[in-house]
Amino acid sequence: GDSVTQMEGPVTLSEEAFLTINCTYTATGYPSLFWYVQYPGEGLQLLLKATKADDKGSNKGFEATYRKETTSFHLEKGSVQVSDSAVYFCAQGAAGNNRKLIWGLGTSLAVNP
Amino acid sequence: KAGVTQTPRYLIKTRGQQVTLSCSPISGHRSVSWYQQTPGQGLQFLFEYFSETQRNKGNFPGRFSGRQFSNSRSEMNVSTLELGDSALYLCASSSGTGAVNEQFFGPGTRLTVL
Repeated sequence: GDSVTQMEGPVTLSEEAFLTINCTYTATGYPSLFWYVQYPGEGLQLLLKATKADDKGSNKGFEATYRKETTSFHLEKGSVQVSDSAVYFCAQGAAGNNRKLIWGLGTSLAVNP
Repeated sequence: KAGVTQTPRYLIKTRGQQVTLSCSPISGHRSVSWYQQTPGQGLQFLFEYFSETQRNKGNFPGRFSGRQFSNSRSEMNVSTLELGDSALYLCASSSGTGAVNEQFFGPGTRLTVL
């Protein structure tokens, strides 16, 4: 069945380091892909999205490119800040239904000053 | 615009009891989806309601049910609680139409079953 696999955490980085969180998916079609972030004590927030192959989603310095050939949607940021410490979730819209999301298990990121 | 609200924020119940959780979507949103979040299984889709009708359903037993009212507010009910039902239950709202619907999440209800 459709699934999302993302790298396990926790990931610990120093401020201004480069961040990559890997995400791959399996799907029967071409789903929309999402990255959500969950800050401590807060609800999930949409970070960025991409709806078709080669689309690049970007927000708050984060980027992810929809790669159909490698079925990947890796999250990157060139210079992380302490305020980026959170749990990051990769998700896909199930069978073209973006209101039924299939999620990765989440990757916890801790950024130290 | 007010965000998605969920009540209560915390609940403690014992095995065998039942529980009802409530979600108020963003004004104008007609779709409400429910998710269960646990450390072991991550986020799992429970069901989605749109205009008072269940439109999608995940792979959960019949003990999990929901409904949506004419004002789009939604409730989910879990009967005969089991220890494994302890989780954070998240509600998300969206417009429910169009090819790509961003979902807006509430803060969740933390359910503990003793």
